[in-house]
Amino acid sequence: GEDVEQSLFLSVREGDSSVINCTYTDSSSTYLYWYKQEPGAGLQLLTYIFSNMDMKQDQRLTVLLNKKDKHLSLRIADTQTGDSAIYFCAERKDNAGNMLTFGGGTRLMVKP
Amino acid sequence: DTGVSQDPRHKITKRGQNVTFRCDPISEHNRLYWYRQTLGQGPEFLTYFQNEAQLEKSRLLSDRFSAERPKGSFSTLEIQRTEQGDSAMYLCASSPSYISYEQYFGPGTRLTVT
Repeated sequence: GEDVEQSLFLSVREGDSSVINCTYTDSSSTYLYWYKQEPGAGLQLLTYIFSNMDMKQDQRLTVLLNKKDKHLSLRIADTQTGDSAIYFCAERKDNAGNMLTFGGGTRLMVKP
Repeated sequence: DTGVSQDPRHKITKRGQNVTFRCDPISEHNRLYWYRQTLGQGPEFLTYFQNEAQLEKSRLLSDRFSAERPKGSFSTLEIQRTEQGDSAMYLCASSPSYISYEQYFGPGTRLTVT
C-alpha cells in the first residue's frame, strides 16, 4: 500500500534482537498492526497498538509508536529461526471503515 | 476453536473461465473481509460484510467480481471471465462485533490463471 512503507529485507543472527520499521502517512489512523506471514500461509495477527498509546509489550514483542513522526516499529527479542517470515505493518484509519491498509512487508531472515 | 477456513487452497484455471472461492469465518464472527495479495505485495482490501450486508467495496472490485454472504455465515467470492491479472492470493478475514478492530485471516486461496 502506498500509504504504508516498510523496508524490504532484514537479516539477523539467532539470539539477537530484530527491529522492523514502518512509516505511515495518515494521522487519523486509529489502530496499527503487525502481522506475520510464513511461506504459503495466511496472515497471523501478532499484535496491535491503539493510536493513543506509545508502547505495547507482549512477551518477546515490543511495539513502539511515534505519532509525531508517523513511525511504528516492532522489536523481537531473542530472535529465533522460527521467526523467519514476512512481517506486515497495517493501519486502520478512522475515516475508512473497517479496511486495513498494509505495507509491502519486510522479509526477516534469521541465521543460525 | 477453529480459525478462518478457505476452500479451495489452490485453483488453476484457464483465462475466461469463472471461479468461485468459499470462506468460512470463525464461529460467531459477524464481520467478514476479502483481500487480494499479489506476489511480493501486501494484501489489498476488496470488500467487507457485516452479517449478510455488504457494506464496503473497493475500487479494485471490478464488475467481474461478486461477493455474497447470504446467511451471514460463510461467504463466496466469484470472479467471472478470469484474466491473467487476476492471479493472486485471495485472503478472507473475520472479526467479532465486540472487538471489531481485530481481523483474523484464513490461509488464502491461491489462484493461477493460465
